[in-house]
Amino acid sequence: DADVTQTPRNRITKTGKRIMLECSQTKGHDRMYWYRQDPGLGLQLIYYSFDVKDINKGEISDGYSVSRQAQAKFSLSLESAIPNQTALYFCATSQTGAEQYFGPGTRLTVT
Amino acid sequence: LAKTTQPISMDSYEGQEVNITCSHNNIATNDYITWYQQFPSQGPRFIIQGYKTKVTNEVASLFIPADRKSSTLSLPRVSLSDTAVYYCLVAPVSSGSARQLTFGSGTQLTVLP
Repeated sequence: DADVTQTPRNRITKTGKRIMLECSQTKGHDRMYWYRQDPGLGLQLIYYSFDVKDINKGEISDGYSVSRQAQAKFSLSLESAIPNQTALYFCATSQTGAEQYFGPGTRLTVT
Repeated sequence: LAKTTQPISMDSYEGQEVNITCSHNNIATNDYITWYQQFPSQGPRFIIQGYKTKVTNEVASLFIPADRKSSTLSLPRVSLSDTAVYYCLVAPVSSGSARQLTFGSGTQLTVLP
């Protein structure tokens, strides 16, 4: 079984809809991250959490929110989706902050 | 914020050694350097990390000069399956740090037969 899982793997939604992406991990890591990747580009950090009570904004947090429900679960929400949020979304975990383990990604399309 | 700069693309032939360099002029004292490999539509996969000098594992070597303002990922005897995008990441390794992580735009390595 994969150490970091993401659901859904693919999602098509309409502009203005609320959507939640979920991430679960079995690695026992405290640190979890959400990244966004646009076609042909690198990864941009949306939010990160160092423990259940800690939430921090990344460089592109506008339009997104997160919830750390437990050490193993970190959810990303788009309150009102817009087309330029169409991208690949990756969750990652880490114990140290440097060596990160990524999930398989969620491909989100906003029409 | 330790921004990173890498070449956009590199080509190599099977069996050759490939060196990919990343510049990180603003690296901080408690930052580590890590490298990742990413195939299309997959999440990045950790390859190697280091703080200074040289680190080697079963996949690659990482060379870091004394000033730590750059690092070089070395892939020995590449094969077609090494065709991927390679990212360097400079990240703090300390508890309580609120630093933002920055992936560079990556280097597309294409291995030719």
